[in-house]
Amino acid sequence: EVQLVESGGGLVQPGRSLRLSCAASGFTFDDYAMHWVRQAPGKGLEWVSGISWNSGSIGYADSVKGRFTISRDNAKNSLYLQMNSLRAEDTALYYCAKATGYSSGWYNLWGRGTLVTVSS
Amino acid sequence: EIVLTQSPGTLSLSPGEIATLSCRASQSVSSSYLAWYQQKPGQAPRLLIYGASSRATGIPDRFSGSGSGTDFTLTISRLEPEDFAVYYCQQYGSSPWTFGQGTKVEIK
Repeated sequence: EVQLVESGGGLVQPGRSLRLSCAASGFTFDDYAMHWVRQAPGKGLEWVSGISWNSGSIGYADSVKGRFTISRDNAKNSLYLQMNSLRAEDTALYYCAKATGYSSGWYNLWGRGTLVTVSS
Repeated sequence: EIVLTQSPGTLSLSPGEIATLSCRASQSVSSSYLAWYQQKPGQAPRLLIYGASSRATGIPDRFSGSGSGTDFTLTISRLEPEDFAVYYCQQYGSSPWTFGQGTKVEIK
């Protein structure tokens, strides 16, 4: 089955770290760019970060630059998001999304998301 | 950064009516790299349109996209009960990728 499954979310205190994972199955993972998109409670979608098929091209939203690090392990069909120095405004449902090209493209597959809550 | 502004914020319509959603970009979207997604409560977004006007696999032909440059439109020709949801446009032509703030299509 073609799917993305996120994990690693939870309740974390401000200033602490969390690592999200996204397990891909049912397609050739290393043929596609992968992205993280988040959605704060009751709000719209916000692009967070993206990584090309071979990790050669990486981008971040200004809101997370310097605090979050995206990575992938093609041998494990997995995408990661290391989140440091977390803030209350990082509270959101984090989606993993598959792009349609090696480095870009629209999203034709989404996971169900993992919830991150930053609170003391 | 390309800012996408969607209008209206909320569209109140009845089943069978036509829905016209607008997405305006702060600068030209290269190669019409614009997509539309539908999101229902508790669900992940679903791709409807890519390349401004190409329907994704399995999307009914009552959904159509048009536009280029800075002005794009999603049209739902005859609203079905399952079409009441929130719709987002997204540009993927230049980093950072950006989304519009969404248009909610609600039942009148």
